[in-house]
Amino acid sequence: QSALTQPASVSGSPGQSITISCTGTSNDIGSLNYVSWYQQHPGKVPKLIIFEVTNRPSGISSRFSASKSGDTASLTISGLQTEDEADYYCASYTLSSTLVFGGGTKLTVL
Amino acid sequence: VHLVQSGAEVKKPGSSVTVSCKTSGDTSISDALSWVRQAPGHGLEWMGGVVPIFGTPHYAQKFQGRVTITTDGSASATYMELTSLTSEDTAVYYCGSAHSYCSGGACRIDFWGQGTVVTVSS
Repeated sequence: QSALTQPASVSGSPGQSITISCTGTSNDIGSLNYVSWYQQHPGKVPKLIIFEVTNRPSGISSRFSASKSGDTASLTISGLQTEDEADYYCASYTLSSTLVFGGGTKLTVL
Repeated sequence: VHLVQSGAEVKKPGSSVTVSCKTSGDTSISDALSWVRQAPGHGLEWMGGVVPIFGTPHYAQKFQGRVTITTDGSASATYMELTSLTSEDTAVYYCGSAHSYCSGGACRIDFWGQGTVVTVSS
């Protein structure tokens, strides 16, 4: 099971919006609606910010939204804030009953 | 839900390590438990998971035959044993749980342990 494909880095200015893509295959993203996204600040524990493609856990800002089309999922952060600077990981359940992560995307808020 | 992992380990190449994870709070036998590792400067890597109510763990292909994930029969404790350690296994190991499972497996991680540093060095 290969890792999902994410861009290594993205950047944006405060107030802007950015989108991070996450590409999988028909064995994961393309066939199942179990995509999740995690935010990890340096030296910290990852935090769930999106589950089941589009859902936000309680307490997660509505500035975080997500979607899926075909084999690709996307995370959008609107109204960028300096505290959004972190690493972001997508993950998907697979047809083999396993979970696979993306390689991670470093978001820089300029 | 609160997950507390065992302390840091230093191991010799070729040896094995077992990391424990104790959960408390709103836990259920139908929770999905996962183990994830993160090597220095690298991303998250799912190793395997188990839903206690089903009992059968699922492992990432990369770790098949080298990792064993067990529980105490409930979602109160989970253990991860990794054998035949090499320097490539030096990483932070996280346990995680979710109040939801997908067709018998772990499909997301809602809550995370604090992480356990495992260092493999001769």
